[in-house]
Amino acid sequence: EDQVTQSPEALRLQEGESSSLNCSYTVSGLRGLFWYRQDPGKGPEFLFTLYSAGEEKEKERLKATLTKKESFLHITAPKPEDSATYLCAVQAVGGTSYGKLTFGQGTILTVHP
Amino acid sequence: DAGVIQSPRHEVTEMGQEVTLRCKLISGHNSLFWYRQTMMRGLELLIYFNNNVPIDDSGMPEDRFSAKMPNASFSTLKIQPSEPRDSAVYFCASSPRTGSTGELFFGEGSRLTVL
Repeated sequence: EDQVTQSPEALRLQEGESSSLNCSYTVSGLRGLFWYRQDPGKGPEFLFTLYSAGEEKEKERLKATLTKKESFLHITAPKPEDSATYLCAVQAVGGTSYGKLTFGQGTILTVHP
Repeated sequence: DAGVIQSPRHEVTEMGQEVTLRCKLISGHNSLFWYRQTMMRGLELLIYFNNNVPIDDSGMPEDRFSAKMPNASFSTLKIQPSEPRDSAVYFCASSPRTGSTGELFFGEGSRLTVL
């Protein structure tokens, strides 16, 4: 069974204080790992897709990296508008699993001005 | 494009009542997913469709839950009879016809409260 574990559950940062969120995963064969952002009262919003170990993606103050067992979401010099829940998900290879994502519980990020 | 549209946004009902949640996909998308989100269990996939055909419904909790996709742009999720443990936010998501990026476009969700 595919599993995704995110840590920490919650993270409080001061504006400008860089940090990282972790996503550990267990999957029989990884098709892709995905990061989403979710604001309160909204649906998750896609951020990144990573396909293979060593791959990195960047978007503004966010950079996602991938190893064979985990992914990190690095946040550089965060701003209050980066406050949200960040969700990690994996998609397994093969069969009817196309499009089926297994999500972690998320990390609630709060950035104080 | 307006994005994935869900209705109602909020539903409060009493145990035993029938609940129907609705979803309109983004034009041109051919995959449709229903997820449920709770504090305890996070986001769980209930069912997904490709080209209007249900592919995997293993996440549907029990026979009280049913989902249909009568055409390429619309889906319903029905709970009959509803129970308090069904209280959650139900999300609909779609993905494009081409590629398998796992990039899902989520609606804003339907918050269901069963008393």
